[in-house]
Amino acid sequence: AQSVTQPDIHITVSEGASLELRCNYSYGATPYLFWYVQSPGQGLQLLLKYFSGDTLVQGIKGFEAEFKRSQSSFNLRKPSVHWSDAAEYFCAVGAVYNAGNMLTFGGGTRLMVKP
Amino acid sequence: EPEVTQTPSHQVTQMGQEVILRCVPISNHLYFYWYRQILGQKVEFLVSFYNNEISEKSEIFDDQFSVERPDGSNFTLKIRSTKLEDSAMYFCASSEMGLAGGQPYEQYFGPGTRLTVT
Repeated sequence: AQSVTQPDIHITVSEGASLELRCNYSYGATPYLFWYVQSPGQGLQLLLKYFSGDTLVQGIKGFEAEFKRSQSSFNLRKPSVHWSDAAEYFCAVGAVYNAGNMLTFGGGTRLMVKP
Repeated sequence: EPEVTQTPSHQVTQMGQEVILRCVPISNHLYFYWYRQILGQKVEFLVSFYNNEISEKSEIFDDQFSVERPDGSNFTLKIRSTKLEDSAMYFCASSEMGLAGGQPYEQYFGPGTRLTVT
């Protein structure tokens, strides 16, 4: 069965500093990997996804993530954090079945941004 | 931009009562999902629904749960006899299709319904 681990429950960074959120996955087949963000009172919004090809993927809001098969990792990065990036971030792996798919999520990392 | 909506945002119910959580998926989407997140735990898949039937369900989705698309716009999750451990945030999601070329379509999530069972 697939699983996702996000080792950091909370991270605090200063505004303007760089950010890296860690994600490790376990999945027997080709992993379909996602990063979602949840702001208070909002649903989960897709930041980016990796299916195949270039292992460095660009997403919305200036985020990027790098897929490393050898490390089973899909870490999320941003070069300069803005106060509005404070939110909870979820890494997920998509499992396909029949004609559908379902997501398995990590526990989430809550990002706080210091002024 | 189209979005998934959920009502109510917060539902309080007594143990043993039935609750119905409502979702309006994005209008041209054909796959619908329910996930839940118990406080402090991971977001967990419950069920997916396509063509008026369940296409996949998790071990959590036992006989006390049911889903329905009662009309052309709503998608509901019913919990027949709520238990304290059903207290959680319930997320509805939809996607245009399930797969394309063997790859998953993006799922769009609603803001969630917080269910509190007392």
